[in-house]
Amino acid sequence: DAGVIQSPRHEVTEMGQEVTLRCKPISGHDYLFWYRQTMMRGLELLIYFNNNVPIDDSGMPEDRFSAKMPNASFSTLKIQPSEPRDSAVYFCAITLGPSSYNSPLHFGNGTRLTVT
Amino acid sequence: KNEVEQSPQNLTAQEGEFITINCSYSVGISALHWLQQHPGGGIVSLFMLSSGKKKHGRLIATINIQEKHSSLHITASHPRDSAVYICAVGGATNKLIFGTGTLLAVQP
Repeated sequence: DAGVIQSPRHEVTEMGQEVTLRCKPISGHDYLFWYRQTMMRGLELLIYFNNNVPIDDSGMPEDRFSAKMPNASFSTLKIQPSEPRDSAVYFCAITLGPSSYNSPLHFGNGTRLTVT
Repeated sequence: KNEVEQSPQNLTAQEGEFITINCSYSVGISALHWLQQHPGGGIVSLFMLSSGKKKHGRLIATINIQEKHSSLHITASHPRDSAVYICAVGGATNKLIFGTGTLLAVQP
């Protein structure tokens, strides 16, 4: 979906290294979400923002994870230090409506993270 | 028991067959989403619905709020329909709850 650009597409790093995932959504969105997808657990919500303000970060697994949204066009998800169990596909998604759950979702292509 | 259950988990069909994927949920919702994910690919939103039925091309989604059940139908299936189909519901918690997905393989 061209409405959300994620980078990098693939990231391979060693345990203990800092990892930063990036998301550039199109303008006009109301909500921005970070999801993690694994074979074992499926899609999990990590955190979401409304108008650049973090609303719910209860899905962030540990203090090693942090997310920011300095402006409406950019968000980052940082893992420091990374661990092998963080290996997953991380998706950024937005809604173009006023609701966090009652508006269509637009996903980025995801970042596949491998921590060795 | 998961709040969102999909069935079947895996489905293999022959090209041209009519396909049904089911989603049952146990929570109160305001909207239900059907998503499609091709192998190694991104996630695409197919439908969002809160009542009745929606149709887009060969895809049809229905929902029965009273029975807490939704179905995704694919008519005249094609190998390019092979993907994981994910049901997600949203409501009181302001967050989507996802099913574990149905892996569909359509063979030529």
